[in-house]
Amino acid sequence: GAGVSQSPSNKVTEKGKDVELRCDPISGHTALYWYRQRLGQGLEFLIYFQGNSAPDKSGLPSDRFSAERTGESVSTLTIQRTQQEDSAVYLCASSLSSLQTYGYTFGSGTRLTVV
Amino acid sequence: SQKIEQNSEALNIQEGKTATLTCNYTNYSPAYLQWYRQDPGRGPVFLLLIRENEKEKRKERLKVTFDTTLKQSLFHITASQPADSATYLCAPTGGGADGLTFGKGTHLIIQP
Repeated sequence: GAGVSQSPSNKVTEKGKDVELRCDPISGHTALYWYRQRLGQGLEFLIYFQGNSAPDKSGLPSDRFSAERTGESVSTLTIQRTQQEDSAVYLCASSLSSLQTYGYTFGSGTRLTVV
Repeated sequence: SQKIEQNSEALNIQEGKTATLTCNYTNYSPAYLQWYRQDPGRGPVFLLLIRENEKEKRKERLKVTFDTTLKQSLFHITASQPADSATYLCAPTGGGADGLTFGKGTHLIIQP
């Protein structure tokens, strides 16, 4: 596609429920990144994929968070047993390569509200 | 630990003037530095990448400098316009294969 697409754009969920966030990267971009941005705060790195491999999962806040990627295509970020502190905008980005000499293209994010 | 510092206070500039934003980093030696713009409710947009052997890089009204001795990058917008109002993020990087670490950003307001 022309850009990075994220869905849903907004999600309100009850505490304790599981949620699944989706990211469609730009076609041909082998690297994919997930970030979290709490209201008024900076970007917090969660995880990245090179192809369908996730070399670094250390940014995931807890074992309630997991992510998968199918080939060099769509990725899903799953949050189990959501808590109020999970409320944030979840941003996905893709890049031509995982080498940081390429800029990232971000989606518009999924705004998650846990009530 | 590695630290990235951007002015957390909003920067107010009069339209037509040059806006200068600062990115300082400590405890590492990046080979590259990226700058992004973020508008409210949107994801960041990549603007420029500068390499450590490039003292300066320009793109239209944007100019970025990279001083590895001072551990600092300056981001300039000349002939600033209200449409330039946004939060600007820097991301110093070694160029490897980890996720970028971003500064918290500086909120720029261009007043007509």
